Amino acid sequence: GQQVMQIPQYQHVQEGEDFTTYCNSSTTLSNIQWYKQRPGGHPVFLIQLVKSGEVKKQKRLTFQFGEAKKNSSLHITATQTTDVGTYFCAKNSGGSNYKLTFGKGTLLTVNP
Amino acid sequence: EAQVTQNPRYLITVTGKKLTVTCSQNMNHEYMSWYRQDPGLGLRQIYYSMNVEVTDKGDVPEGYKVSRKEKRNFPLILESPSPNQTSLYFCASSFSGGGYGYTFGSGTRLTVV
Repeated sequence: GQQVMQIPQYQHVQEGEDFTTYCNSSTTLSNIQWYKQRPGGHPVFLIQLVKSGEVKKQKRLTFQFGEAKKNSSLHITATQTTDVGTYFCAKNSGGSNYKLTFGKGTLLTVNP
Repeated sequence: EAQVTQNPRYLITVTGKKLTVTCSQNMNHEYMSWYRQDPGLGLRQIYYSMNVEVTDKGDVPEGYKVSRKEKRNFPLILESPSPNQTSLYFCASSFSGGGYGYTFGSGTRLTVV
């Protein structure tokens, strides 16, 4: 199926710096989900965005859904070593979870 | 504890020897799904199930079978494994409807020699 494109593929930051990963689709999305996978771990659901222009925050994480519902971003303020991992966006078909397609992810490493 | 349980965690097998990876969830989720994760290719959906006896192909179903005879279980069957099926496999489950993310199992690392 149609994938969602994520950039960058890798990002290395110093602890305390900010980090942003972007997710882009050529088609309008019904919603977008974000997951985090720690090294050696499994993906963990972070959030789902549904509305055009939606912004949601979870502590230092800010998630945005574009006005046209074709792109999304995850921004981490003042990264910590616990933020290390791969961040995935995922799109589903028609608003239901049964067919969930993941982007290839952005691997974040943080230098203490 | 609410969880998705996969077994085994690690498996080394030989080409052509049938194997089954089990998956069970205790959250009464309708949706269940299998993914494989490969370096550079990300997570790719193999099969999914919307409820008991309802399954459908994902993006990479070739060489795999699934069944959903009970709501809690969703086994992945490799009838004749080949080396290109060496991968990290994840089972996941979710409630139906919008707003719910998938809960993933801890993964099964399969090596086919």
